[in-house]
Amino acid sequence: KNQVEQSPQSLIILEGKNCTLQCNYTVSPFSNLRWYKQDTGRGPVSLTIMTFSENTKSNGRYTATLDADTKQSSLHITASQLSDSASYICVVTLASGGSYIPTFGRGTSLIVHP
Amino acid sequence: EPEVTQTPSHQVTQMGQEVILRCVPISNHLYFYWYRQILGQKVEFLVSFYNNEISEKSEIFDDQFSVERPDGSNFTLKIRSTKLEDSAMYFCASSAGRRAGDEQYFGPGTRLTVT
Repeated sequence: KNQVEQSPQSLIILEGKNCTLQCNYTVSPFSNLRWYKQDTGRGPVSLTIMTFSENTKSNGRYTATLDADTKQSSLHITASQLSDSASYICVVTLASGGSYIPTFGRGTSLIVHP
Repeated sequence: EPEVTQTPSHQVTQMGQEVILRCVPISNHLYFYWYRQILGQKVEFLVSFYNNEISEKSEIFDDQFSVERPDGSNFTLKIRSTKLEDSAMYFCASSAGRRAGDEQYFGPGTRLTVT
């Protein structure tokens, strides 16, 4: 079964600190892996998108890595800000027979304290 | 900056009633999607739509669901006979293409409450 597992489930850090969120998946073959930020009660906002041939992608203070061999991805947040408090969701898109089906992880809830 | 919009922001309906959730995708996008998120749970894919046809649908998207692009701008999700378990946030999204690097842009969501 295609699954996306994220860890930790929740994380509390102090403002200015760095953190790394993990995503393991079993989706195969995959088209892309995306990281989204979702504020409470809002729609997900794209942070990074990587195809299977990419192993790193940056967007400001966000850097995502991908190891397609081990089926692992990470999202590193540098110099955290209070506004980074949100849920971070890993999404892996299955590509099979011309169809593209995204599978979402449950997300990591990040709280940044002053 | 162009964005996906959804109406209404909150819909309350009684069990068994029909509801229509509306979305206006980004104007030059060709692919449209509906997702749902039950409170406290992960986002789930419902359906994708291209060229006035369903491209993919999940197991959740059964006969009580339907999608339509009634005109050049709106994209709708209809639930024919709502159940209590349909209570969730429903997100619409759109993308310019379906290549591996194409972004999907999400709307703010419609919170559906079935009583």
